[in-house]
Amino acid sequence: QVQLVESGGGLVKPGGSLRLSCEASGFTFSDYYMSWIRQAPGKGLEWVSHISNSGTIINNADSVKGRFTFSRDNAKNLLYLQMNSLTSEDTAVYYCARLTIDSGTYGYYLDHWGQGTLVTVSS
Amino acid sequence: DIQMTQSPSSLSASVGDRVIVTCRASQSIAGYLNWYQQKPGKAPKLLIFAASSLQSGIPSRFSGSGSGTDFTLTISCLQLEDFANYYCQQSYTTPYTFGQGTKVEIK
Repeated sequence: QVQLVESGGGLVKPGGSLRLSCEASGFTFSDYYMSWIRQAPGKGLEWVSHISNSGTIINNADSVKGRFTFSRDNAKNLLYLQMNSLTSEDTAVYYCARLTIDSGTYGYYLDHWGQGTLVTVSS
Repeated sequence: DIQMTQSPSSLSASVGDRVIVTCRASQSIAGYLNWYQQKPGKAPKLLIFAASSLQSGIPSRFSGSGSGTDFTLTISCLQLEDFANYYCQQSYTTPYTFGQGTKVEIK
């Protein structure tokens, strides 16, 4: 079955950096776009980015542009999120999710999610 | 960016009730609309994709409709396990914005 497991979260000081990982299993990782979504404590969901199956196409939210870097290693079934210049606004649970694209319909959807990893930015 | 507005923000309902949540996009998104359910402390779960397609394994009491700018999620006969937060999301163009959420509570 499809499994996504995030890791790398923790407490970091403002201005600091952190790298999150998402390990995928149960499907052909290199066939799928992957996404990052975050959720601040007690708040709603915020789409952060997606990366194409080859890693050559990356789209991300304005709120993270220039600070967050997205990559993947298809040989290792790993997705990465490098976060720099962190602020308290980045405190959130970060989820990775599989993006399924169904070209026959209006289907671009996040059909499998990891359990999330908490990033806390605080001095 | 496309703004997604859900209503209501919260509602109270009883087991067996019919519940309708609406989602409005700030511009036309055709049928690129998804619905997710999230329970406290858990990851979101996909319910409906492409406005009206039921995700595999999701009970048929969940249904979605709409196109363009106005969409609805209907739970035909609310069950105890349906008390949760619900989010719409547009996937027409990046950023793939979410609605602010609707909390379905027990009356």
